[in-house]
Amino acid sequence: DAGVIQSPRHEVTEMGQEVTLRCKPISGHDYLFWYRQTMMRGLELLIYFNNNVPIDDSGMPEDRFSAKMPNASFSTLKIQPSEPRDSAVYFCASSFGTGGQETQYFGPGTRLLVL
Amino acid sequence: GDSVTQMEGPVTLSEEAFLTINCTYTATGYPSLFWYVQYPGEGLQLLLKATKADDKGSNKGFEATYRKETTSFHLEKGSVQVSDSAVYFCALRTGANSKLTFGKGITLSVRP
Repeated sequence: DAGVIQSPRHEVTEMGQEVTLRCKPISGHDYLFWYRQTMMRGLELLIYFNNNVPIDDSGMPEDRFSAKMPNASFSTLKIQPSEPRDSAVYFCASSFGTGGQETQYFGPGTRLLVL
Repeated sequence: GDSVTQMEGPVTLSEEAFLTINCTYTATGYPSLFWYVQYPGEGLQLLLKATKADDKGSNKGFEATYRKETTSFHLEKGSVQVSDSAVYFCALRTGANSKLTFGKGITLSVRP
């Protein structure tokens, strides 16, 4: 399997612009997670989906952030408008099943810089 | 709520030194415990896990034992290598909830 695929790997944009991050989970996985990693706050869970349905979005920082999962093989995280404090590495992860023991598989991340 | 506390870093060791990275947790119920590793420029990957008290997870020479009495899951390796240089995250999950709670991570640098 190709693993979790994220695009773009790097994104540089100017404040106020819209940013869209993309994720393709591992085929057959029914959970998808979006995380943000910064030096100050560490690794934060933003939102996760089960069978394409958002389950917990309590980590989404504000209304500027939105996430969708239109089908089992694709998800987007959108920031509109972007701000310099959104600069971070954004990770997508996927897993299969429930029970508490499942491994989450992470993508390589998208490094976002907002100028 | 659930939380994971890791020792402050960074940690710098010489090759073949003994490694201990401390991790303690607070959780409702009986969590499953995990160590993830992040190599430079990459995403996180599972290193090892333990799902019940006294279980020992092991992989690539790393070990961690689930200690319910001390609510700890310390990571150890008897002889580190330069290739072990990475960021290490302790994490937990409670019940059937798929959400992982991560510690802040600690950077390990191993000198030749």
